[in-house]
Amino acid sequence: NAGVTQTPKFQVLKTGQSMTLQCAQDMNHNSMYWYRQDPGMGLRLIYYSASEGTTDKGEVPNGYNVSRLNKREFSLRLESAAPSQTSVYFCASSSWTGGLAFFGQGTRLTVV
Amino acid sequence: AQTVTQSQPEMSVQEAETVTLSCTYDTSESDYYLFWYKQPPSRQMILVIRQEAYKQQNATENRFSVNFQKAAKSFSLKISDSQLGDAAMYFCAYRSGIDAGNNRKLIWGLGTSLAVNP
Repeated sequence: NAGVTQTPKFQVLKTGQSMTLQCAQDMNHNSMYWYRQDPGMGLRLIYYSASEGTTDKGEVPNGYNVSRLNKREFSLRLESAAPSQTSVYFCASSSWTGGLAFFGQGTRLTVV
Repeated sequence: AQTVTQSQPEMSVQEAETVTLSCTYDTSESDYYLFWYKQPPSRQMILVIRQEAYKQQNATENRFSVNFQKAAKSFSLKISDSQLGDAAMYFCAYRSGIDAGNNRKLIWGLGTSLAVNP
């Protein structure tokens, strides 16, 4: 089925460990996004890629890096995980027309 | 900068009744899109309804409809004949109609948690 595929669904890291969250979409969307969701704080944009070859910081980029590998894939990397990065992470993509965003199923990350 | 405000952190409704979730936004743009997304306990984000600002007619999608008041910058969601499966967090979102750079971001409200009582 067409959509946004995000892996892994669950992850536990120790403080200081690194990991990469993977995201791929097969809808030929130009724009892709990484959000984190914390209780009472809604969705906060970490990084986004308006089009292939470009990435920009969102509201909360510190501690994260991203790579827009190609039009389909947009990965999020935590170089040195901290407990403050415990959250649910969502990848999303959208077309330029209409702005409708499609979401992955989310990754619940716990940093201990 | 645009902002989206959902003033009701929590709402509840009896099954089969109607509930309205409020959303207001602030923008200086005339062309934009507004969305309601639903997030059930499964965490998946699901589009409920979309409204283009240039359309005066309120969008409807089965039991879901919006009351779009452009001058008042209000975009409320009405759920009719509420069902247990409607229990979820509902997010209102804004996107500029300008297709360039930063304008391709979605601006989100903090959400309204809807409980449906049997």
